Amino acid sequence: RKEVEQDPGPFNVPEGATVAFNCTYSNSASQSFFWYRQDCRKEPKLLMSVYSSGNEDGRFTAQLNRASQYISLLIRDSKLSDSATYLCVVSHNTDKLIFGTGTRLQVFP
Amino acid sequence: DTGVSQDPRHKITKRGQNVTFRCDPISEHNRLYWYRQTLGQGPEFLTYFQNEAQLEKSRLLSDRFSAERPKGSFSTLEIQRTEQGDSAMYLCASSPWDRRDYGYTFGSGTRLTVV
Repeated sequence: RKEVEQDPGPFNVPEGATVAFNCTYSNSASQSFFWYRQDCRKEPKLLMSVYSSGNEDGRFTAQLNRASQYISLLIRDSKLSDSATYLCVVSHNTDKLIFGTGTRLQVFP
Repeated sequence: DTGVSQDPRHKITKRGQNVTFRCDPISEHNRLYWYRQTLGQGPEFLTYFQNEAQLEKSRLLSDRFSAERPKGSFSTLEIQRTEQGDSAMYLCASSPWDRRDYGYTFGSGTRLTVV
């Protein structure tokens, strides 16, 4: 079993839709949590950190449930440019990041 | 350019040959990481350095792989006797030690194809 599990998708949604991605992690010692975005054949880029209290950055909202070891990402008002793979990432002691396999999002007109 | 740079961007090699990749991190970052990514998978940790010290190696890093960061600046990753299974994107990332919980900055990667 992978340490970070994500639904690989793809999620195909129309422009303007709201879409949510979920992720579970197995190591309760995980301390830091992130969502990265990766465009096709490009490097991953940090989208946002995830905090216990939940956090929002524009159209993006991230939530963390430590008791259930569950992380979510909500994208509101989807844009064509949101099409990418979204990687759920955890770190135990901030020495290395552990990536999920990613969830692919395709936003269509 | 103040980002993480990797060279070469692409490498095609014959099975059994040795290859070496280079990574130049962001200059003020003292942590440097190597990851490998295959199609449809997330990046997998290989190894990381703090300054010139290699602090952790994944079991994915077989004895054919070696990484160095001789002066705590750039790093090299060498693969000896390449195999077709080594075909992947090799990603380098860096972070400052005291802000590593803010995530890494990745380079554009080196795409290796072993034929």
